[in-house]
Amino acid sequence: GESVGLHLPTLSVQEGDNSIINCAYSNSASDYFIWYKQESGKGPQFIIDIRSNMDKRQGQRVTVLLNKTVKHLSLQIAATQPGDSAVYFCAEKLLGFQKLVFGTGTRLLVSP
Amino acid sequence: DTAVSQTPKYLVTQMGNDKSIKCEQNLGHDTMYWYKQDSKKFLKIMFSYNNKELIINETVPNRFSPKSPDKAHLNLHINSLELGDSAVYFCASSPQGLDEQFFGPGTRLTVL
Repeated sequence: GESVGLHLPTLSVQEGDNSIINCAYSNSASDYFIWYKQESGKGPQFIIDIRSNMDKRQGQRVTVLLNKTVKHLSLQIAATQPGDSAVYFCAEKLLGFQKLVFGTGTRLLVSP
Repeated sequence: DTAVSQTPKYLVTQMGNDKSIKCEQNLGHDTMYWYKQDSKKFLKIMFSYNNKELIINETVPNRFSPKSPDKAHLNLHINSLELGDSAVYFCASSPQGLDEQFFGPGTRLTVL
């Protein structure tokens, strides 16, 4: 098994709970934000994104909230399931640049 | 299947060797990227190409040389491998005008 990522912040929840994963971003000039889910041994998968002209966006079971005043982004997962267990990354994109800058990641552990 | 694919998935080699990792996307995207994920799961961009032209080079040692023979392929060649090069390398792509990036499954490089 993997021994990487042992020092990641970890959020442990029970199945059926709502989960909130937080992210502080660094640059007030960032105009685009995205959340990725990374399961063990796989590449990051897109969950949801939001532009800086919005403060909330909803998907299926997921909601992203953006607070530009304090440079904070959160991902809310409703009715968390064991299959949601993964490492979650937020990323920001600076206006005018094509690259994504990733946060450090949070491990979500969902117990049945 | 439409996707970003990488080969090989695992690469184990000795220090000082030269190796290549290949990436292909059949999504018709114009921009491709290489990221490095270290043992703490931190994801950092290395390079980006748009239509075969280098647009991002994040102060990566010049032992790393990306090559884009066409816009569907972005290969990464690494000379004189060092222990610190051990990581998971991810290829990604994004369509023109959109910020979402689609990631490949990763290549785990282990340098002994």
